[in-house]
Amino acid sequence: SAVISQKPSRDICQRGTSLTIQCQVDSQVTMMFWYRQQPGQSLTLIATANQGSEATYESGFVIDKFPISRPNLTFSTLTVSNMSPEDSSIYLCSVTVLGEQFFGPGTRLTVL
Amino acid sequence: GQQVMQIPQYQHVQEGEDFTTYCNSSTTLSNIQWYKQRPGGHPVFLIQLVKSGEVKKQKRLTFQFGEAKKNSSLHITATQTTDVGTYFCAGLLGSGYSTLTFGKGTMLLVSP
Repeated sequence: SAVISQKPSRDICQRGTSLTIQCQVDSQVTMMFWYRQQPGQSLTLIATANQGSEATYESGFVIDKFPISRPNLTFSTLTVSNMSPEDSSIYLCSVTVLGEQFFGPGTRLTVL
Repeated sequence: GQQVMQIPQYQHVQEGEDFTTYCNSSTTLSNIQWYKQRPGGHPVFLIQLVKSGEVKKQKRLTFQFGEAKKNSSLHITATQTTDVGTYFCAGLLGSGYSTLTFGKGTMLLVSP
């Protein structure tokens, strides 16, 4: 299994600012995933972060808006840049261990 | 684009009644996974189905994967109030894909 922690758990931000979300896993994993879940909606994959290479972004998501770092096999950050109210969402970090996908507790972001 | 469709969107049952949610893909899936998300929580992995026609059981939960590997279902027998939450299916869209595509989820409400 994998235990994932995220910081912050929630934040309220002003439009135009940026927020960096941290994700820590208790074991080394090759790929870490960042998802967004808007209120009452399903999970949408933002990007896949591999250690030592640039993140792979899904359609509709770009590096300038959601820069990702992956400095080692247990840690990743996602930055939500130049935020607007439309970015209000829950952001979830996730990893796969032996075919089972584990999610962090999420970061609930509200942009005013 | 390739999608994973899930129905119903919402279901409200009386405790003791059965519940089923269905998942359909426009393309053949390598595998399908099911997750449960309690209100205010994060998705928790329930099970993974890989083989055509596979059926797996977890206590009152029965999971099926269609023969064509394009559909799946989750059936809960004699629901309890602890079953409340949103159930998501997520499919791996064939070989070469390493990321899951989530259905929109079925929200289950159980009244005592």
